[in-house]
Amino acid sequence: EVQLVQSGAEVKKPGESLKISCRGSGYSFAHFWIGWVRQMPGKGLEWMGIIYPADSDTRYSPSFQGQVTISVDKSVTTAYVQWSSLKASDTAIYYCARGELLDTFDMWGQGTVVTVSS
Amino acid sequence: QSVLTQPPSASGTPGQMVTISCSGSSSNIGDNHVSWYQQLPGTAPRLLIYRNNQRPSGVPDRFSGSKSGTSASLAISGLRSEDETDYYCAVWDDSLSGHVVFGGGTKLTVL
Repeated sequence: EVQLVQSGAEVKKPGESLKISCRGSGYSFAHFWIGWVRQMPGKGLEWMGIIYPADSDTRYSPSFQGQVTISVDKSVTTAYVQWSSLKASDTAIYYCARGELLDTFDMWGQGTVVTVSS
Repeated sequence: QSVLTQPPSASGTPGQMVTISCSGSSSNIGDNHVSWYQQLPGTAPRLLIYRNNQRPSGVPDRFSGSKSGTSASLAISGLRSEDETDYYCAVWDDSLSGHVVFGGGTKLTVL
């Protein structure tokens, strides 16, 4: 079965660092793009960036460039997004998703809830 | 404010056809393929349409997509109560080194 399984919910304080994960299974992980999408409370979807595991080619949305780092470890078929210093405005659900193409996601993870509060 | 403009809401009665629009520009819809996603409450989005009008396996043929110029549309025919949820368009935008943009989303109500 093709699936993306994300790490569990996180509660952090402003200024703390965080790395969340997305493990793919049931398909050729290296040859599909993995992207990250943010959904703030009660709001719409925002594309953060995408990575191609085979060569780690990474693209970022201008809105998220410099704010997060997307990475991948092919050996454990897992992609990551990390923050070095969280803000309260990073509170959101973060989804990972798979795409054969850069512009389309055909499979989504279950989402990781990140809460940043003092 | 999103680069792609969707109506915040749409509505229809069971059995009707409803259309949701997505308006963009030459750097996104005008030059690239549009996808549509459905998001049920509390769940991850689901791909409904890709490459403007292609349906993944498992998506009913009640859902169809089209594109003309710098606008795209999602049509849902034979409206059902379970179609009441949020819908998003998405497309690659060629500006600023390229990235995907989502529409602001449309909440569909089945009356």
